[in-house]
Amino acid sequence: AQSVTQLDSQVPVFEEAPVELRCNYSSSVSVYLFWYVQYPNQGLQLLLKYLSGSTLVKGINGFEAEFNKSQTSFHLRKPSVHISDTAEYFCAVHNTNAGKSTFGDGTTLTVKP
Amino acid sequence: DGGITQSPKYLFRKEGQNVTLSCEQNLNHDAMYWYRQDPGQGLRLIYYSQIVNDFQKGDIAEGYSVSREKKESFPLTVTSAQKNPTAFYLCASSNYNEQFFGPGTRLTVL
Repeated sequence: AQSVTQLDSQVPVFEEAPVELRCNYSSSVSVYLFWYVQYPNQGLQLLLKYLSGSTLVKGINGFEAEFNKSQTSFHLRKPSVHISDTAEYFCAVHNTNAGKSTFGDGTTLTVKP
Repeated sequence: DGGITQSPKYLFRKEGQNVTLSCEQNLNHDAMYWYRQDPGQGLRLIYYSQIVNDFQKGDIAEGYSVSREKKESFPLTVTSAQKNPTAFYLCASSNYNEQFFGPGTRLTVL
């Protein structure tokens, strides 16, 4: 069994400030890790993914995440946010053996002017 | 353009009626998935298929049915047995490294 916990349901931040969205996971097998973004009434769009290799992963729109195996975390960061980053963000783990993913409950990022 | 299409975008049905949501992909992916999303919650897996003519139940399969007769298509039927079907439904396909999502169908049961 696997699970994903997004530690903050809502994160308000001012424009041009840094932000971190936290994600912890548990799994008994090796997994792939993902962050997705969802704008209102739309599907999910991939921000970045960790499959193997370097633990620091860079994605689109200036986002990056660091895989920490000992702490089973995959936190998402951006050094300077923009109004357009306001959206829902989902962390997910993919079990390659079972062929399915588990998603966190999401974090609502609100960027204020 | 390659991608996933879901239709319709909005769907209204009367209580007790079955309804089928369409999902088509032209990405040549083997695996396809159906998720349900409720306000304030993450995505919950309904059904998934890793190959044509085969599919597995996800975490909340009760009241739903699927078929996978073609690689490109994975329709979802919401039956009258589903107690609370009003939700946002997302279809995805996968090349096993990442999932690609459709735009979603918002189903409202009146």
